[in-house]
Amino acid sequence: QSALTQPRSVSGSPGQSVTISCTGTSSDVGGYKYVSWYQQHPGKAPKVIIYDVSKRPSGVPDRFSGSKSGNTASLTISGLQADDEADYYCCSYAGSYWVFGGGTKLTVL
Amino acid sequence: EVQLVESGGGLVKPGRSLRLSCTTSGFTFGDYALTWFRQAPGKGLEWVGFIRSKPYGGTTDYAASMKGRFTISRDDSKSIAYLQMNSLKTEDTAVYFCSRGMGSITIFGVIIGIPGWFDPWGQGTLVSVSS
Repeated sequence: QSALTQPRSVSGSPGQSVTISCTGTSSDVGGYKYVSWYQQHPGKAPKVIIYDVSKRPSGVPDRFSGSKSGNTASLTISGLQADDEADYYCCSYAGSYWVFGGGTKLTVL
Repeated sequence: EVQLVESGGGLVKPGRSLRLSCTTSGFTFGDYALTWFRQAPGKGLEWVGFIRSKPYGGTTDYAASMKGRFTISRDDSKSIAYLQMNSLKTEDTAVYFCSRGMGSITIFGVIIGIPGWFDPWGQGTLVSVSS
């Protein structure tokens, strides 16, 4: 049950766009359409921002978007805002369990 | 408002047991799967296990490293899910979160009672395993 691979950190200035990648295998990310992304501010509970690869739950701004190509899923955040500074985790169904990425710390410069 | 509140965490010695509770409100508990996750200090998220809703058998699945030591159960009459943790190890030290399972995974067009994503999450309860 290996973790998905995410960059440890990304950064961007307010108003810019950033993309966070999440690489797995054909047994998880590449094999299912059940990739979700979670935002976690320090000391807080995770919050879902993308599910089923590219769908947004009610209340999540359309600045957040998700996609997938092969074994790699991506989260793009456009129009960066200060409050977007947080840790982001991808998660994929893997056939009988779920696997997370190691997390990416987004810094808004 | 949908809420999940974890409780029961604390300091425990290696080899001992602990039971966590996930008390919920604001939704029809019996219609949903409940999932447990954990996060070791300064580390990432890890799936622990989940329990299906009763219409899908109320059965459970666990991460390999926890199978045989951890047991998830549910009391639909009280809208509470439990995580019984036995033979605790120092590496089990983490904040434990519960979450409502959302959506439904389909395999060859068949709904199998497994959620596709998780929302919302409780605030977590800290379990520290140390001698």
